[in-house]
Amino acid sequence: AQKVTQAQTEISVVEKEDVTLDCVYETRDTTYYLFWYKQPPSGELVFLIRRNSFDEQNEISGRYSWNFQKSTSSFNFTITASQVVDSAVYFCALSGAYIPTFGRGTSLIVHP
Amino acid sequence: DTAVSQTPKYLVTQMGNDKSIKCEQNLGHDTMYWYKQDSKKFLKIMFSYNNKELIINETVPNRFSPKSPDKAHLNLHINSLELGDSAVYFCASSQEIAGGLNEQFFGPGTRLTVL
Repeated sequence: AQKVTQAQTEISVVEKEDVTLDCVYETRDTTYYLFWYKQPPSGELVFLIRRNSFDEQNEISGRYSWNFQKSTSSFNFTITASQVVDSAVYFCALSGAYIPTFGRGTSLIVHP
Repeated sequence: DTAVSQTPKYLVTQMGNDKSIKCEQNLGHDTMYWYKQDSKKFLKIMFSYNNKELIINETVPNRFSPKSPDKAHLNLHINSLELGDSAVYFCASSQEIAGGLNEQFFGPGTRLTVL
């Protein structure tokens, strides 16, 4: 069975602080994909990144970076110099052959 | 050009009624899903269809019945609505890739309120 754990229910930071959202996963599949999605207050779900199980290279996209570590089954997401527009619920997700599994989400609140 | 569209956006109805939510994707994807998001933002998969065939049917009451007339559409029909059905329902689609699924594209959601 697959499982995704986002232990941080809510994180509150002040603008310009760096923040890391944790994601730990469990799967028996040897090939799988990891994802992060953003759900801003407007409600839509927006895809941010996909990583496959064979690619442990870290990725940076502007102020966003992702750290995939297979040894600890973690796929953490860091926002550098956070902004108020980053306030959202962030979901980590795991996909094996057919069933996508989402974590319970981390609510990030960035105060001005 | 909306990639994944759902109608209606809001649905307010009385307990016991039957209602449908429609979903269409114009991305040419093979797989479509229905998710339920509760008030605590927990996103739970309900159904998944791949090329019009049911792949996933999680523990969902029989009152929920998905219908996929073609690859681009996956509708959700709910019978005998209950208070606990109040939630936001998201439709999504993705393309199957080697060993797993590609990223999902979500519709805007349908906020269902059962009174």
